[in-house]
Amino acid sequence: GENVEQHPSTLSVQEGDSAVIKCTYSDSASNYFPWYKQELGKRPQLIIDIRSNVGEKKDQRIAVTLNKTAKHFSLHITETQPEDSAVYFCAADDYKLSFGAGTTVTVRA
Amino acid sequence: DGGITQSPKYLFRKEGQNVTLSCEQNLNHDAMYWYRQDPGQGLRLIYYSQIVNDFQKGDIAEGYSVSREKKESFPLTVTSAQKNPTAFYLCASSMGLADEQYFGPGTRLTVT
Repeated sequence: GENVEQHPSTLSVQEGDSAVIKCTYSDSASNYFPWYKQELGKRPQLIIDIRSNVGEKKDQRIAVTLNKTAKHFSLHITETQPEDSAVYFCAADDYKLSFGAGTTVTVRA
Repeated sequence: DGGITQSPKYLFRKEGQNVTLSCEQNLNHDAMYWYRQDPGQGLRLIYYSQIVNDFQKGDIAEGYSVSREKKESFPLTVTSAQKNPTAFYLCASSMGLADEQYFGPGTRLTVT
């Protein structure tokens, strides 16, 4: 089955700086890579996703890049704001989603 | 108002008792999932169902059971065989297995 590793486990950034979270996966058959954001006490919500036929995707301050050869993908958040503070999960899909362990992002005002 | 709901939000049980967690969706999604979330461990898949009357074990199915008699409903039973049942349980649904998953608000189960 798929194994997804996510780094770092915690990330503290100054407001306005960028944040980068990296994930690797093991199954070369995976072709769907979503990112979820979970605020404290709330449900995970999809913030961006990418499929294997695309190398990069952007949505305002959020971007995701995918390197299928190296089997890794990354989330980039630019101009971070306090409301970006949350736990972020990456996932990879072969026939079902496998999640990384999560990254707790803290944006310092 | 479309969405996915779980009840109750908090649940307390004594050790040795079975307990059933509810999950309902009105999104007309075919696929439904149950995840367990423990601190620092991300989301681990318990069971999933691709279609009514069919379900498959996930990565940590031992001590759990499910049913899928209706498209809208996917209840999870935590049995007394589950050695460490205290956790946050999340239900999700999607159109198909490789599609965006929508999560319910979760049920926090405490077993003492």
